[in-house]
Amino acid sequence: DTEVTQTPKHLVMGMTNKKSLKCEQHMGHRAMYWYKQKAKKPPELMFVYSYEKLSINESVPSRFSPECPNSSLLNLHLHALQPEDSALYLCASSQVFFGNTIYFGEGSWLTVV
Amino acid sequence: AQSVTQLGSHVSVSEGALVLLRCNYSSSVPPYLFWYVQYPNQGLQLLLKYTTGATLVKGINGFEAEFKKSETSFHLTKPSAHMSDAAEYFCAVSASYNQGGKLIFGQGTELSVKP
Repeated sequence: DTEVTQTPKHLVMGMTNKKSLKCEQHMGHRAMYWYKQKAKKPPELMFVYSYEKLSINESVPSRFSPECPNSSLLNLHLHALQPEDSALYLCASSQVFFGNTIYFGEGSWLTVV
Repeated sequence: AQSVTQLGSHVSVSEGALVLLRCNYSSSVPPYLFWYVQYPNQGLQLLLKYTTGATLVKGINGFEAEFKKSETSFHLTKPSAHMSDAAEYFCAVSASYNQGGKLIFGQGTELSVKP
């Protein structure tokens, strides 16, 4: 079972709202990722968690706050977003070793109004 | 530093024709190379992966890719295109050892298949 599940699939939020994106995997992977993807562009890495600890933050604005409650769950808390943050947010997971395959979820479409 | 270049942002083929999507990479370490496909409104799905060993890698849906170290290339091919192959294709290389599982993506190639 190579499945990463993301909820919600679609989210519309105002610039003053607080919302969260959720991600779950049951493949026993100990690395989890958040990527942001704009239309017709490759995914851009935002955060990496390794063994439930934040290992990479690609200089993401603080209005995005990741959380890894346990080895299967990954959240992305959203607050005071801007319209330019509208994008597809992809969660992914892998084993924690160089060169391991990264498995992606279906993504959450975020629209900021 | 690792990098990936995909030649051609858009490729159009006729149904039944050969599909060739080009990818060149730069890596300071032995590379791990990937091809992902993204269908409209979906996430990324792994097509195939090169680690070490056999240079011809077979993937899902009839796709394969050949690793050529001398040319630093990892082109994706399929002998006969189907309408269902229309999608965005991304080539990627693993970043260096101290960057965890980070992937470096190419800019993507959109494949169109004409009936």
